[in-house]
Amino acid sequence: SQQGEEDPQALSIQEGENATMNCSYKTSINNLQWYRQNSGRGLVHLILIRSNEREKHSGRLRVTLDTSKKSSSLLITASRAADTASYFCATDLQGAQKLVFGQGTRLTINP
Amino acid sequence: AAGVIQSPRHLIKEKRETATLKCYPIPRHDTVYWYQQGPGQDPQFLISFYEKMQSDKGSIPDRFSAQQFSDYHSELNMSSLELGDSALYFCASRKEGGSLWNEQYFGPGTRLTVT
Repeated sequence: SQQGEEDPQALSIQEGENATMNCSYKTSINNLQWYRQNSGRGLVHLILIRSNEREKHSGRLRVTLDTSKKSSSLLITASRAADTASYFCATDLQGAQKLVFGQGTRLTINP
Repeated sequence: AAGVIQSPRHLIKEKRETATLKCYPIPRHDTVYWYQQGPGQDPQFLISFYEKMQSDKGSIPDRFSAQQFSDYHSELNMSSLELGDSALYFCASRKEGGSLWNEQYFGPGTRLTVT
């Protein structure tokens, strides 16, 4: 089973609205990362949040991490059509170095 | 800044053929990871190498093998290809003990199509 599960699987909103995606995981982690992927393209690293951090910002992105609930959220504010993509959370497990990806959220921004 | 390079970017093979994918990590990165992403799926970890030694192994079929060379580039060899091997194959690199510990930098991927 996957370490990370994302919710929702698909999200469609109007341009200018905020988009929130959630990620849950099962075991202790060192950090959690969010990636964006345009259809069939490469993985673009968005942001990394360490296990001892609770919130992090980068431009229009805001990531929170709740280690007690083993969950994270990615908020994209003032969405743009160019934000249309799939978004994956990825966790690295304590004692391991590989990344375990969630199933991804397919975000569509309607102009 | 230099990024992870993967070659080829696209590869078309027939069933039962072999394929070799190459990955050139960011300079001074000593760890390489391989991931497989099937259509509509999330990336799945295959195998990793640190200082030319296998460091971890995931759901990699026995038909696949990989190695890391002295210049730290890595190759993923895939034999007896099956239709289900059609996927995007990503390579990522990392510098052990780097300031952003465990941040992996991904290459653009190789799209393998098996017909």
